[in-house]
Amino acid sequence: SQKIEQNSEALNIQEGKTATLTCNYTNYSPAYLQWYRQDPGRGPVFLLLIRENEKEKRKERLKVTFDTTLKQSLFHITASQPADSATYLCALVPNAGKSTFGDGTTLTVKP
Amino acid sequence: DADVTQTPRNRITKTGKRIMLECSQTKGHDRMYWYRQDPGLGLRLIYYSFDVKDINKGEISDGYSVSRQAQAKFSLSLESAIPNQTALYFCATSEKQGLYGYTFGSGTRLTVV
Repeated sequence: SQKIEQNSEALNIQEGKTATLTCNYTNYSPAYLQWYRQDPGRGPVFLLLIRENEKEKRKERLKVTFDTTLKQSLFHITASQPADSATYLCALVPNAGKSTFGDGTTLTVKP
Repeated sequence: DADVTQTPRNRITKTGKRIMLECSQTKGHDRMYWYRQDPGLGLRLIYYSFDVKDINKGEISDGYSVSRQAQAKFSLSLESAIPNQTALYFCATSEKQGLYGYTFGSGTRLTVV
């Protein structure tokens, strides 16, 4: 069956460091992979999308990589700030289909 | 106004009651979705609709029903609420290709007592 795994339930890092979050999947061939940010009690907010034929995508301090051979995406936040503290969700999207979400990784950036 | 509006924001209801959660969107998207989220868990798809005449069950549709009244409106009903339906419910929309991600509402926190 299809499975999405995001790394460790919680990630704690020091302000200024780079946070790296992992999204692994099995039995899936997504056309796209999306990353979202979710704050407590709020709806997820779309951050970035990367296509299956793209290796890397950047947006300001965010960088996403996508390795379809390893079936893995890495999400990096450089120069992290306490305001980056949130839960980050990855979602896999088949071509013109509906997204399947991972359980999320909670990031805490300490001052 | 928010792109996706969910009402009510919070609701406490009794076991056995019928309850409807409403969602409206101003994005002009054809696709709409209902998800449920439980503490520490991800989003689980309840129902989705790719256009007004299209309704599909998601992974956890038992005990729920939906109505797509118009392109902009998609409501979720709990026919006879039970305590394990206590959760945070999200409505979302997307354009066909999903290239711009899903736009989520602010959620409805439902408690069944």
